[in-house]
Amino acid sequence: DAGVTQSPTHLIKTRGQQVTLRCSPKSGHDTVSWYQQALGQGPQFIFQYYEEEERQRGNFPDRFSGHQFPNYSSELNVNALLLGDSALYLCASSFRVSSYNEQFFGPGTRLTVL
Amino acid sequence: AQKITQTQPGMFVQEKEAVTLDCTYDTSDQSYGLFWYKQPSSGEMIFLIYQGSYDEQNATEGRYSLNFQKARKSTNLVISASQLGDSAMYFCAMREGHSTGGFKTIFGAGTRLFVKA
Repeated sequence: DAGVTQSPTHLIKTRGQQVTLRCSPKSGHDTVSWYQQALGQGPQFIFQYYEEEERQRGNFPDRFSGHQFPNYSSELNVNALLLGDSALYLCASSFRVSSYNEQFFGPGTRLTVL
Repeated sequence: AQKITQTQPGMFVQEKEAVTLDCTYDTSDQSYGLFWYKQPSSGEMIFLIYQGSYDEQNATEGRYSLNFQKARKSTNLVISASQLGDSAMYFCAMREGHSTGGFKTIFGAGTRLFVKA
């Protein structure tokens, strides 16, 4: 049973560029959440997708957008990259939208913006 | 306002001893979930233990247990019989929201635990 997978593992971009990160949820899961984790800090919630709709959003600018596909996989897009966007981006999946369900995290994508 | 507070940036514990990691939270919701995660240097976020706001019993999972004090809004993680492999970053997190409207998970800043041989 495959867990949460993310691609790519590492990515280097320059300021102003755009990036797309991908996430496949754990088998049987239908809800995907994205987090940004800067070095030495806790993860910050970006947004959550369920039934192909954004259900909740954290305090992130519109440069951060996402999508969920019918097979429950998801993409995170970041436009006009800034140096401060350098971070580990974590995807987490769970079953249904509930406060009581455990989230499983993927290994993350390390984004470096030069 | 800070919703999850972990006041211990770093902790040391002797191998085989118990250690308590502190966490306080702030929410006006009646229904919420509290989680602890372990993040080794590899970066993977590993789920450890969960406590629901309506659970009357303190959660336990193997060597991990929670000291949940709802009135004080605290949920401290107790790791018994520490092992060298427990050295990692530990995050307290709270999930709040609504089952139809989705939920957010808010993480604390973390506590780095060092287990000494």
